[in-house]
Amino acid sequence: QVQLVQSGAEVTKPGASVKVSCTASGYTLADYYMHWVRQAPGQRLEWMGWINPNNGATHYAQTFQGRVTMTRDTSISTAYMELRGLRSDDTAVYYCARGALIGSYFFDYWGQGTLVTVSS
Amino acid sequence: DIQMTQSPSTLSAFVGDRVTITCRASQSISTLLAWYQQKPGKAPKLLIYKASSLQSGVPSRFSGSGSGTEFTLTISSLQPDDFATYYCQQYNAYSGAFGQGTKVEI
Repeated sequence: QVQLVQSGAEVTKPGASVKVSCTASGYTLADYYMHWVRQAPGQRLEWMGWINPNNGATHYAQTFQGRVTMTRDTSISTAYMELRGLRSDDTAVYYCARGALIGSYFFDYWGQGTLVTVSS
Repeated sequence: DIQMTQSPSTLSAFVGDRVTITCRASQSISTLLAWYQQKPGKAPKLLIYKASSLQSGVPSRFSGSGSGTEFTLTISSLQPDDFATYYCQQYNAYSGAFGQGTKVEI
């Protein structure tokens, strides 16, 4: 069965960076785009971008351009999302989510979420 | 950017009720709309895609309809497990904007 398992919660300071991992099992990572979505406390879900694990191509939401980098290591079936220049309003649960169809932006499997807390 | 607006924000209902949630897009998105269910502390779960296609394993009491800018999610007979927050998401443009959510309460 398909599973996405994310790294654990992080507490970090303003201006720092965080890198969240997402390890896929039950399918081949390279066969589906991996997206990242975040949810600040009490807020709606916010799409951040995707990576094509087959070739490393990425596309980021304009909101995060210049601050986010998505990478992957297919040898260990893991995708990564790094966010830099953290601010208090980046405090959120960050999810990886598998694109249900190639090139689509809806998601059939999700990781369990990683809480990132930004606080001085 | 395409904006998604759901109504109502909160809905109170009884077990067995028929429940309808509306989602409006700021411009036409054809039928490129998905619905998710989210329970507290959990990741969202895909219910419906392409406005009306039921995701595998999702009970048939869930249905979706609409096209263009107006969409609905209907639960034909609300069950105890259905009390959750529901989100619509457009995937027409090169983005995946979500609605603000509708909380279905007992």
